[in-house]
Amino acid sequence: DTGVSQDPRHKITKRGQNVTFRCDPISEHNRLYWYRQTLGQGPEFLTYFQNEAQLEKSRLLSDRFSAERPKGSFSTLEIQRTEQGDSAMYLCASSLGPGNTEAFFGQGTRLTVV
Amino acid sequence: AQTVTQSQPEMSVQEAETVTLSCTYDTSESDYYLFWYKQPPSRQMILVIRQEAYKQQNATENRFSVNFQKAAKSFSLKISDSQLGDAAMYFCAYRTDDVTGNQFYFGTGTSLTVIP
Repeated sequence: DTGVSQDPRHKITKRGQNVTFRCDPISEHNRLYWYRQTLGQGPEFLTYFQNEAQLEKSRLLSDRFSAERPKGSFSTLEIQRTEQGDSAMYLCASSLGPGNTEAFFGQGTRLTVV
Repeated sequence: AQTVTQSQPEMSVQEAETVTLSCTYDTSESDYYLFWYKQPPSRQMILVIRQEAYKQQNATENRFSVNFQKAAKSFSLKISDSQLGDAAMYFCAYRTDDVTGNQFYFGTGTSLTVIP
């Protein structure tokens, strides 16, 4: 088990373009989270899946953002019509259960919108 | 809404000394979980220590221990015998016991520098 992996690690895109990020969680983990982290800030929650069901979305997740987790395995996060304010580190995490179960984080995808 | 506050943006400690990082949180729930995560530069976040709110005993993991004060909603992290490898951003996190509202709420982090 290699942990949570995210692809790509870095993405530079022009404003207005669409981008898609992928997250592969630890294989037996049924919970998957997306967070956004800007410089000097803690991770901010975007959305959460339990298996293939998207159970919670943050107000931060505007209609330009969409996330999927087909078949409860890997997940994708798409940002349409990117804006400079979307520049951030996008973190994916997975966990086996609720409560005190820790979340395992990937190394993140750093998005730069120019 | 749950909020997590880390009032120390930066801290420094001499190698081999002890440092305490502060965290307070706001919640109306009685059952929840608290975590400290470490994020080294350009590396992924990893769990340092966790605490269940229903447990009165403070959690300890080797050189890391917490001071959990439930009434004060305080959850500080003590690092003893600090090592150079402890240098990182440290995030305090809160998680509800609600199986549907399952997200982690993070503070803004404390950047720890270890001075040789």
